[in-house]
Amino acid sequence: DAGVIQSPRHEVTEMGQEVTLRCKPISGHNSLFWYRQTMMRGLELLIYFNNNVPIDDSGMPEDRFSAKMPNASFSTLKIQPSEPRDSAVYFCASSPRASGGALGETQYFGPGTRLLVL
Amino acid sequence: AQSVTQLDSQVPVFEEAPVELRCNYSSSVSVYLFWYVQYPNQGLQLLLKYLSGSTLVESINGFEAEFNKSQTSFHLRKPSVLISDTAEYFCAVSERGSQGNLIFGKGTKLSVKP
Repeated sequence: DAGVIQSPRHEVTEMGQEVTLRCKPISGHNSLFWYRQTMMRGLELLIYFNNNVPIDDSGMPEDRFSAKMPNASFSTLKIQPSEPRDSAVYFCASSPRASGGALGETQYFGPGTRLLVL
Repeated sequence: AQSVTQLDSQVPVFEEAPVELRCNYSSSVSVYLFWYVQYPNQGLQLLLKYLSGSTLVESINGFEAEFNKSQTSFHLRKPSVLISDTAEYFCAVSERGSQGNLIFGKGTKLSVKP
């Protein structure tokens, strides 16, 4: 299996522009997670999906952020408009069962998208 | 609410020396505990986890961690580190039976010097 695939790997954009990050989870996995990693705040969960349905988006910073999962093999995280403080590494992860952390499932992380907003 | 504390942000050690990375958690219910490792410019990957049973769990590359319920700790140890162990290590906790997810600590950067 190719693992979790994220694109682009690097993104440089200007403040105010729309940014779309993409994720393909491991085939057969039923949970998908979006995280943000910064030096100041560490690793933060933004949102997660079970069976393509958003379960908890309480970590999404504000209305500028939105996430979708139209099918089991694809998810997007969109920032519109982007701001310099959104600069971070964004990770997508997936796990086999739609249980969140309730069953001790291992999460499999993608390589991340490094976003720089100028 | 559950939380994870990694007391050391950076740990420098010499090659072949022993190392311990500390992790404490707080939770009002039973938990699962994890250690993830992040090599430079990569995503996180599972190193080891405690679900139930023996409180001592081991990884394939010589790391081990022991679940201590009374001290609410899950410290990671290795008796002799390699240069290739240089990475950032994250402790994480999730609560059994809840819809909550993994809560990660801030991470500990292990730097192994020759």
